[in-house]
Amino acid sequence: DAGVTQSPTHLIKTRGQQVTLRCSPISGHKSVSWYQQVLGQGPQFIFQYYEKEERGRGNFPDRFSARQFPNYSSELNVNALLLGDSALYLCASSLRQGFYEQYFGPGTRLTVT
Amino acid sequence: AQSVTQPDIHITVSEGASLELRCNYSYGATPYLFWYVQSPGQGLQLLLKYFSGDTLVQGIKGFEAEFKRSQSSFNLRKPSVHWSDAAEYFCAVGAGTGGFKTIFGAGTRLFVKA
Repeated sequence: DAGVTQSPTHLIKTRGQQVTLRCSPISGHKSVSWYQQVLGQGPQFIFQYYEKEERGRGNFPDRFSARQFPNYSSELNVNALLLGDSALYLCASSLRQGFYEQYFGPGTRLTVT
Repeated sequence: AQSVTQPDIHITVSEGASLELRCNYSYGATPYLFWYVQSPGQGLQLLLKYFSGDTLVQGIKGFEAEFKRSQSSFNLRKPSVHWSDAAEYFCAVGAGTGGFKTIFGAGTRLFVKA
């Protein structure tokens, strides 16, 4: 079975631009979570979605938004990019909402110049 | 507020030696606790988790962790380290207040010397 997939792998954007990152969960998994990992730090929780509804939100500004589609895939959108948004963005899927075992994708490396 | 502290930024152990990575958490209720490993160029992989019950939990790759409520700790151990264990290790707590959030520590980088 395929694991969690994320696209694109790498991305370079300019300050002020907008970016959309995509995630496909493991087949049968209905929950997707997004994390930001700045170099040298642990992942920071951004969102958890389950059955297309937001079920958890971290301490990120409103420039960050996400959604989940009927097929349980998800998109993370970041508007008005700042240099500090440069990070590895990780997606994780799990069977249900909450704290069940999460399976992480390889991440999308975003560089903002 | 919920938080996770991993006091050691990096640790170096000799191959074959035992390992203990420390983790302290701050959370008012019974926590959900996790240890993840991240190898260079690879994604995060769950080593083990504690939800309830036996406070000594076994994980993959020969790792185990012990939950100590009185010390708010969830330390990771391995009796004999292999060179392939060199990686970044993250402790995390699941916090259910105001939604589902998983809070990660800053990580401990493990170096293994021959």
